[in-house]
Amino acid sequence: NAGVTQTPKFRILKIGQSMTLQCTQDMNHNYMYWYRQDPGMGLKLIYYSVGAGITDKGEVPNGYNVSRSTTEDFPLRLELAAPSQTSVYFCASRRPGNTIYFGEGSWLTVV
Amino acid sequence: EDKVVQSPLSLVVHEGDTVTLNCSYEVTNFRSLLWYKQEKKAPTFLFMLTSSGIEKKSGRLSSILDKKELFSILNITATQTGDSAIYLCAVEPASQKKLVFGKGTKLTVNP
Repeated sequence: NAGVTQTPKFRILKIGQSMTLQCTQDMNHNYMYWYRQDPGMGLKLIYYSVGAGITDKGEVPNGYNVSRSTTEDFPLRLELAAPSQTSVYFCASRRPGNTIYFGEGSWLTVV
Repeated sequence: EDKVVQSPLSLVVHEGDTVTLNCSYEVTNFRSLLWYKQEKKAPTFLFMLTSSGIEKKSGRLSSILDKKELFSILNITATQTGDSAIYLCAVEPASQKKLVFGKGTKLTVNP
């Protein structure tokens, strides 16, 4: 009963490095999301996708890129990491009109 | 622009108290409102509300929606230390593509 799986759970990056956060879901959901959550704050939408091949920007897309080549996978790429990208990242998926299912989160620190 | 406002932002109570958390919204063509509880990890689903005046209940938690006045409340009776968490409210517009989250209410229940 995997649900939404994201990796890695923890990562430390140096300024200027790049990395990809992986996300996969096994519920055949069309809609997938990437959120970031800074300490004591709510969720901010980075990018979302309503189906394979379709992606769209959320509130805070700068510094990130996504792709959606399959229904299951929605990786988030950080290019040229900056300290402002230190945050907890949540991948999520849902069917329209239903609740959203979150992954367990990825804690990223940029030093 | 779609907006969700939660109040208060934080709340400290003693065990046994009853609390009411508020969520007001402005959204184009409302479809549903959802409540989530977030402890140290990913948010977990509590309630989905689509109709005015119908209370949803789960144990000591209950929630109701007022579509005319554009708000919802989440009540927790006889609070316990395990209720300490961030409570998130989200609204789904009719387009259903994404959920709009509020900043959350941080509830601390002291013994």
